[in-house]
Amino acid sequence: ETGVTQSPTHLIKTRGQQVTLRCSSQSGHNTVSWYQQALGQGPQFIFQYYREEENGRGNFPPRFSGLQFPNYSSELNVNALELDDSALYLCTYTHPSYNEQFFGPGTRLTVL
Amino acid sequence: QKEVEQDPGPLSVPEGAIVSLNCTYSNSAFQYFMWYRQYSRKGPELLMYTYSSGNKEDGRFTAQVDKSSKYISLFIRDSQPSDSATYLCAMSSGGSNYKLTFGKGTLLTVNP
Repeated sequence: ETGVTQSPTHLIKTRGQQVTLRCSSQSGHNTVSWYQQALGQGPQFIFQYYREEENGRGNFPPRFSGLQFPNYSSELNVNALELDDSALYLCTYTHPSYNEQFFGPGTRLTVL
Repeated sequence: QKEVEQDPGPLSVPEGAIVSLNCTYSNSAFQYFMWYRQYSRKGPELLMYTYSSGNKEDGRFTAQVDKSSKYISLFIRDSQPSDSATYLCAMSSGGSNYKLTFGKGTLLTVNP
């Protein structure tokens, strides 16, 4: 186990709705990244947060936004959901000693 | 041309076979190379992490990097049914806590 937890495990939304996904680390690592993994594809980088500030963003529109809280937990928010947003959403925390990203189990989002 | 190319397979081998998985890349800025294993409905887990060109061995796994050819490989010796999973190559320009760029993944099945 990586110690990274994500919630919920699955959820189903309809087009146009908004969704919030959550991620936390048992060890409180301060760098969290979010990835989107469509079916049959590798994960794609959405953005990274370091000490509550966005620290890099991939090629995703502004309707994908995030937050990191003082306890280093994080949220990914997606507005105006589209069918193509259906994917596995993964978060990672960086282990400061080993310079390694640990992935959570993911949240599977289905947009109908 | 995608930054990272990986043959998606699927690849099916008998137990005990040597497996070779490969990725090519086009971005010369990539300096750090990783292989992740992803079981169905799980988050990726890090298998191997390399920086320099050459070979790195860990048990039955060997990672090979050829920066001059922009080509990386993962070899699995004495493959086991428990190795059946999707294998993802990943790369970054600034260490493993930076944005990771992934290949599509290769689905491997090891038959008993």
